[in-house]
Amino acid sequence: KAGVTQTPRYLIKTRGQQVTLSCSPISGHRSVSWYQQTPGQGLQFLFEYFSETQRNKGNFPGRFSGRQFSNSRSEMNVSTLELGDSALYLCASTTDRGYQPQHFGDGTRLSIL
Amino acid sequence: QKEVEQNSGPLSVPEGAIASLNCTYSDRVSQSFFWYRQYSGKSPELIMSIYSNGDKEDGRFTAQLNKASQYVSLLIRDSQPSDSATYLCAVRNYGGSQGNLIFGKGTKLSVKP
Repeated sequence: KAGVTQTPRYLIKTRGQQVTLSCSPISGHRSVSWYQQTPGQGLQFLFEYFSETQRNKGNFPGRFSGRQFSNSRSEMNVSTLELGDSALYLCASTTDRGYQPQHFGDGTRLSIL
Repeated sequence: QKEVEQNSGPLSVPEGAIASLNCTYSDRVSQSFFWYRQYSGKSPELIMSIYSNGDKEDGRFTAQLNKASQYVSLLIRDSQPSDSATYLCAVRNYGGSQGNLIFGKGTKLSVKP
């Protein structure tokens, strides 16, 4: 069974640009969550999508947005990039929002110049 | 503010010893508890999940949960150099609007040959 797939693996952008990251969950998983990981703040929750609806949102500015498609694939968009947005962005999927654990993709390393 | 606290380490143990990793959480209604291992430059990998008070064993790993004390621990027996990684404790509520994982900042474990 294929795992969570994130593309691209690496991105270099400059301040003010925007970026879109993609995540394909494990087959059969309908919940997709996004996290930002930085050395100082650790893993921080961005948002969760289930059946194309955002069910939960972390404490990030509106520049961070996402969506989920009918096949459960999800995209995350960051507009007007800032230097502080440099981070590892991780996507995780699970069958539902209950007791099941989340499984992570390899992440997208975003660097802002 | 729901929080998960871990000792950042580094925790250094000799090869073959037992490594003990601890985690406390602030939200009493938390119902699902997970330990993830993250190697440098890689994404988190699920190693244990626990939902009920007591111990759960899986190979060299034992997770312990005490909901009254809001405390989760992970024991690694016969530690190997390949166990050297950062261990992340994650807590998840179920139901309502708080289905996301809340992570501690991780404990860095170093197993010395």
